[in-house]
Amino acid sequence: NAGVTQTPKFQVLKTGQSMTLQCAQDMNHNSMYWYRQDPGMGLRLIYYSASEGTTDKGEVPNGYNVSRLNKREFSLRLESAAPSQTSVYFCASSGISGVVLTFGAGSRLTVL
Amino acid sequence: GESVGLHLPTLSVQEGDNSIINCAYSNSASDYFIWYKQESGKGPQFIIDIRSNMDKRQGQRVTVLLNKTVKHLSLQIAATQPGDSAVYFCAENDAGGTSYGKLTFGQGTILTVHP
Repeated sequence: NAGVTQTPKFQVLKTGQSMTLQCAQDMNHNSMYWYRQDPGMGLRLIYYSASEGTTDKGEVPNGYNVSRLNKREFSLRLESAAPSQTSVYFCASSGISGVVLTFGAGSRLTVL
Repeated sequence: GESVGLHLPTLSVQEGDNSIINCAYSNSASDYFIWYKQESGKGPQFIIDIRSNMDKRQGQRVTVLLNKTVKHLSLQIAATQPGDSAVYFCAENDAGGTSYGKLTFGQGTILTVHP
C-alpha cells in the first residue's frame, strides 16, 4: 500500500522554466492538497481539491496552477518558475475522516 | 510554543524522560487539532488529534491537551525514545461543517532525544 506518491523527488529549474509535480494516492480519498514548506516554517496550503472535479485556492496560490485529473491524481504546475518558489512541496490526501491528512514524502524544488 | 522567524523552538530531553511540546493556535473558530511528526527528509506523519469539544485525549505514549480559553495545545510524550527525535507540528482546522480539512500549521518544535 503506497499511500501518497509524489514525483519527482528532486528537481532543479532555471528561472522562467515550467514544470509539473505529480501526485497520486491509492487510498480512495476524496480530498487532495498541495502544501509548501520553507526552512524554519510550517506547511502552507497552496491549493486543494475537496472532491474530484473541484479545486480551490489556499493560502499561497500565486504562481501555481493545479489539475485534479481524476480521483487518484492531483498535479501542481509552475508555469514560470521563480527563485521564491524554491521549497519542498508536499501532496496530501484525506478520506472519510475529513481532516486527517496523509502526506507524501515531498518533492524538493530548487529554482536558480 | 511557536515562534516567528527561522529559529524553531527546540526541546532536548534524555531518553526515558517525558516530553511536553507546546503550541499556541490563532483561530478561536478552529474545531479540530492535530499533531504531526516530521522526520528528516520525510513527510509529516499523523500522531494524534483532538476535537474542540474535548480537553484531553490519550494515545499510545502520547497525550494531547487542549485549553480553548487561552488557545493552547500541548503534546505530551511519555518515556521519550531516540526514535521520537523529529520536528513536531501542531495544526488547526476550521472546517466550518465541511468534510475536508484545510489545515493551518504551526512553525514546529525540534525534539532531540539523547540516549
